[in-house]
Amino acid sequence: GAVVSQHPSWVICKSGTSVKIECRSLDFQATTMFWYRQFPKQSLMLMATSNEGSKATYEQGVEKDKFLINHASLTLSTLTVTSAHPEDSSFYICSAPARYNEQFFGPGTRLTVL
Amino acid sequence: AQSVTQLDSHVSVSEGTPVLLRCNYSSSYSPSLFWYVQHPNKGLQLLLKYTSAATLVKGINGFEAEFKKSETSFHLTKPSAHMSDAAEYFCVVSLYNNNDMRFGAGTRLTVKP
Repeated sequence: GAVVSQHPSWVICKSGTSVKIECRSLDFQATTMFWYRQFPKQSLMLMATSNEGSKATYEQGVEKDKFLINHASLTLSTLTVTSAHPEDSSFYICSAPARYNEQFFGPGTRLTVL
Repeated sequence: AQSVTQLDSHVSVSEGTPVLLRCNYSSSYSPSLFWYVQHPNKGLQLLLKYTSAATLVKGINGFEAEFKKSETSFHLTKPSAHMSDAAEYFCVVSLYNNNDMRFGAGTRLTVKP
């Protein structure tokens, strides 16, 4: 089956620094990828849609200047959390549609901002 | 807009007894519906999906769900719970070729020995 990986699986950073999270489709190409955020004991909330070769589409309430998305190739999308603060601590999950548009999710990246 | 409501935030069952996790959906069009499971610190795993074919959908690990349009429901069931079923379960609805997925709040399933 299709596999989506994320790197790193967890990261701890200091407040004010930037953190980059990678999402890769390992055995298929994805012109679109999706980024979700999951706070503890809560559901996944769609943050943005990453589009290969064009600008990402952000959900209402998500700051595009804070959460920079780059989809530079058909197998890689990156999410950069700029000037991270403790309230950005969360579990970030990406997904990509493969065959028959079935979504495959990455294992997630746990971000802790001190 | 489409959305799902998971009626129970927490369900507790004894091992070997049936499991019922409830989900109601709201959609203007014919939706695709999914159930995903998330074990602690693990990624999401697809249990099953409904995409306008058979209304009774069988998934992995003995789970199944029935799409009931008249009740706008898509409840997840399993005849006999196993300890390994303890996890968080998400009901998900999507339109537009599954590229716009909306998650329910989740139901935490606890299985007692």
